[in-house]
Amino acid sequence: GGIITQTPKFLIGQEGQKLTLKCQQNFNHDTMYWYRQDSGKGLRLIYYSITENDLQKGDLSEGYDASREKKSSFSLTVTSAQKNEMAVFLCASSIGGGNAETLYFGSGTRLTVL
Amino acid sequence: GEQVEQRPPHLSVREGDSAVITCTYTDPNSYYFFWYKQEPGASLQLLMKVFSSTEINEGQGFTVLLNKKDKRLSLNLTAAHPGDSAAYFCAVTGGSNAKLTFGKGTKLSVKS
Repeated sequence: GGIITQTPKFLIGQEGQKLTLKCQQNFNHDTMYWYRQDSGKGLRLIYYSITENDLQKGDLSEGYDASREKKSSFSLTVTSAQKNEMAVFLCASSIGGGNAETLYFGSGTRLTVL
Repeated sequence: GEQVEQRPPHLSVREGDSAVITCTYTDPNSYYFFWYKQEPGASLQLLMKVFSSTEINEGQGFTVLLNKKDKRLSLNLTAAHPGDSAAYFCAVTGGSNAKLTFGKGTKLSVKS
């Protein structure tokens, strides 16, 4: 089996700050995803990548950048943290990008903006 | 685009009782359906993946029912135990835009 590692687990930032979240997977999966999980709102897709150096916008990409420099890693940048923002960011991967793919999730990075 | 409504947002049952979580979706062309379980502090794990041709899907201690006519997907835990306490998310894909759409989640609490 494989594992998805997200760092850091907890991230505290200041309003306006640029913050970077990292994700590593050792499944050798092609596709990686970043989701935002807000209480009572489910999971919303921010960015995904179907291969190294590929980036595709999800429904919530505004305010974020992403980078897939290697097959095994996918990073997400909050370009300007919003005051009082609190959310969990989940990284996931799948073998391919098809509809039937099972997603494998990391444990999340919990963001708090002061 | 696809809309997925998941009910209830919170559910509390006693050990041994059944628990039912339901998702309704809007795109009649949807054809893959997923249930994920998220235990406290842990990652989401796939509980079951269902293809649209199968209406009744049995898992260990639970059943997933798909009613395509009513566009309803349900997760039925037959005899809940404290280890089932978690958040559950449905997800739907296929259809017109082929993106995976998640429900908002149900937090299940099973009291012994």
